[in-house]
Amino acid sequence: QLQLQESGPGLVKPSETLSLTCTVSGGSISSSSYYWGWIRQPPGKGLEWIGSIYYSGSTYYNPSLKSRVTISVDTSKNQFSLKLSSVTAADTAVYYCARQLWRGNWYFDLWGRGTLVTVSS
Amino acid sequence: QSALTQPASVSGSPGQSITISCTGTSSDVGSYNLVSWYQQHPGKAPKLMIYEGSKRPSGVSNRFSGSKSGNTASLTISGLQAEDEADYYCCSYAGSSTFVFGTGTKVTVL
Repeated sequence: QLQLQESGPGLVKPSETLSLTCTVSGGSISSSSYYWGWIRQPPGKGLEWIGSIYYSGSTYYNPSLKSRVTISVDTSKNQFSLKLSSVTAADTAVYYCARQLWRGNWYFDLWGRGTLVTVSS
Repeated sequence: QSALTQPASVSGSPGQSITISCTGTSSDVGSYNLVSWYQQHPGKAPKLMIYEGSKRPSGVSNRFSGSKSGNTASLTISGLQAEDEADYYCCSYAGSSTFVFGTGTKVTVL
C-alpha cells in the first residue's frame, strides 16, 4: 500500500534553511485526487499545518509561515519537499508529511512516521 | 488564523462515553462541514478517525462519532477502552485553502 517517508538533516543551525523530502512509495504522487502536505509538531505541543502542494505544483501555505516556506514537487522521483528559511529554536519539531484528500473533502488520510528536526548551534 | 480550542484533558472509565469539543469561529468550523479528527498515540503519527465532521474511514471503530453545532465540533468516544488513551486533534478547513488544527486533548482511561 502507499507509504510516505520523510528524510533530511536532523540538526539545523539557527538562521539556516531547513530542508526535508517526503518520498511516496506504493503509488503515484501524480494522482488527481490528492494534495500532499507538511505538518509539524514541536516537542510536547500540538500539530501545525505548514502547507500543501498538488502534483502540478500548485501550493497553499499557512499564512503565519508563508514568508519562510517553499514546498516543491518532483513527480519524476515521486517526492515533494519542504524548505523553511531563517529557522530559530521555535522551529524545532517533528515534521510529518501526509496525503490530503481534496475536491471538497480536505483531510489528511495517510501520514509518514515523522522526522525530528532540532534547531541548535 | 488561531488554533481551534480543545480541552487539555478528558478522562473516563472503561465502558463510559466521553466527548471532546473543538471550538473555532464562523470563519472555520462554523462555515464549513470540513472538520476532521486525528488520534495520536505517544511517539506515533496521527491517525485519521473522522472526516467531514461525522464520517468514519474504513477500519475505524463505530465507537467514534463526530458532530457539529455552530462554531463547535465534537468527537464522542463511546464504550471507552484502554486503547483509546491517546491525544486527539481536530482540524478544520479555514477558507482560502488553509487549514487549522486544534490545541489537542489528552484522553485518559481511568
